[in-house]
Amino acid sequence: DAGVIQSPRHEVTEMGQEVTLRCKPISGHNSLFWYRQTMMRGLELLIYFNNNVPIDDSGMPEDRFSAKMPNASFSTLKIQPSEPRDSAVYFCASRRGTDTQYFGPGTRLTVL
Amino acid sequence: SQQGEEDPQALSIQEGENATMNCSYKTSINNLQWYRQNSGRGLVHLILIRSNEREKHSGRLRVTLDTSKKSSSLLITASRAADTASYFCATNAYSGAGSYQLTFGKGTKLSVIP
Repeated sequence: DAGVIQSPRHEVTEMGQEVTLRCKPISGHNSLFWYRQTMMRGLELLIYFNNNVPIDDSGMPEDRFSAKMPNASFSTLKIQPSEPRDSAVYFCASRRGTDTQYFGPGTRLTVL
Repeated sequence: SQQGEEDPQALSIQEGENATMNCSYKTSINNLQWYRQNSGRGLVHLILIRSNEREKHSGRLRVTLDTSKKSSSLLITASRAADTASYFCATNAYSGAGSYQLTFGKGTKLSVIP
């Protein structure tokens, strides 16, 4: 199994630009999670999907952030417009049932 | 809000020594998991202990869970330089609508000196 796949691995953009992060969960997993990790705030859950349906998006910082899961094998996290304070590592994770979450390698986002 | 809180925040030991990290949490859980993160990398799952279990072993790892005290500990025996990483506990709890959510602590940064 290839594990959770995220792209791009690194993204550098300028303030005001739109950023789209992509995630392919492990096949057969029915839950998908987006996290953000910073030195100051640690690992924060942004949103998670269960069977492609958003269950809890209370962690999404503001309306500039949106996430979609059009099918069981793909999800996107979009930031529009991006701001320097959005700079962080964004992780996608997936799981089957209620047990172990498997994390992707992360996307390191830098907003200048 | 942070559910799991690790203690200590940082730990430095000599190779061959044992490392113990603790985690406290606040609400009822379904299970508790420990993850490891090497610098600049993703999180890797180490071990899961269910709420009805008290101790679990995996190789050089030993995890205990005390639900009455709402605490867990991770013991790494005979540490190696390669164990240098951040270790996170994560509590899995019911979050409503038939779903369970993992909440992570801020981690313990372990340094193993060769």
